[in-house]
Amino acid sequence: ELVMTQSPATLSVSPGERATLSCRASQSVSSNLAWYQQKPGQAPRLLIYGASTRATGVPARFSGSGSGTEFTLTISSLQSEDFAVYYCQQYNNWPPLSFGGGTTVEI
Amino acid sequence: QVQLVESGGGVVQPGRSLRLSCAASGFTFSTYAMHWVRQAPGKGLEWVAVVSHDGSNKHYAESAKGRFTSSRDNSKNTLYLQMNSLRGEDTAVYYCARTRGIDYMDVWGNGATVTVSS
Repeated sequence: ELVMTQSPATLSVSPGERATLSCRASQSVSSNLAWYQQKPGQAPRLLIYGASTRATGVPARFSGSGSGTEFTLTISSLQSEDFAVYYCQQYNNWPPLSFGGGTTVEI
Repeated sequence: QVQLVESGGGVVQPGRSLRLSCAASGFTFSTYAMHWVRQAPGKGLEWVAVVSHDGSNKHYAESAKGRFTSSRDNSKNTLYLQMNSLRGEDTAVYYCARTRGIDYMDVWGNGATVTVSS
């Protein structure tokens, strides 16, 4: 089974700083990778699909990169509303679809 | 606007059954595949099942195979998850989510809470 590993588990960042989140797949998923943001008590929200395409309405400060087994989500200048948990998800090899364990971005 | 609303959650004893519903609005439901994803308290996201746009193809996580059945009624714009033989580890918030293919999930419901406890 394909395993998605996210690092770090927790990222402490100050507002205005850059945040870099990593996601690694145990085997190649090509560019079939999505990123989601989840705030406490809310459903996840799609940020990025196809490894680098921003979903509708997602601010330009969010960017995704990578292919194969290594992926990165970058938030260029953290805003207060960006403090949340971020998940990656592969959809190249299924079933099952698989999520990473999440990275918490905290102040 | 595009919306998914889950219902049917609650507290149920181990071994019993529960059926969740997901009502869709604001888009052509019959043209989208639909996922179920769950999240145990304080844990990450776990994919549960996917149903193709017409209900003809279904895939399940190992944890759901043989106990959970997902179906849909396109005439009612509604997705269902029938959960049987429930266990404590099935306690979670269950989300339905829209997908263009069997890939990423672009619209999510707010979730239904299922608690399995005696």
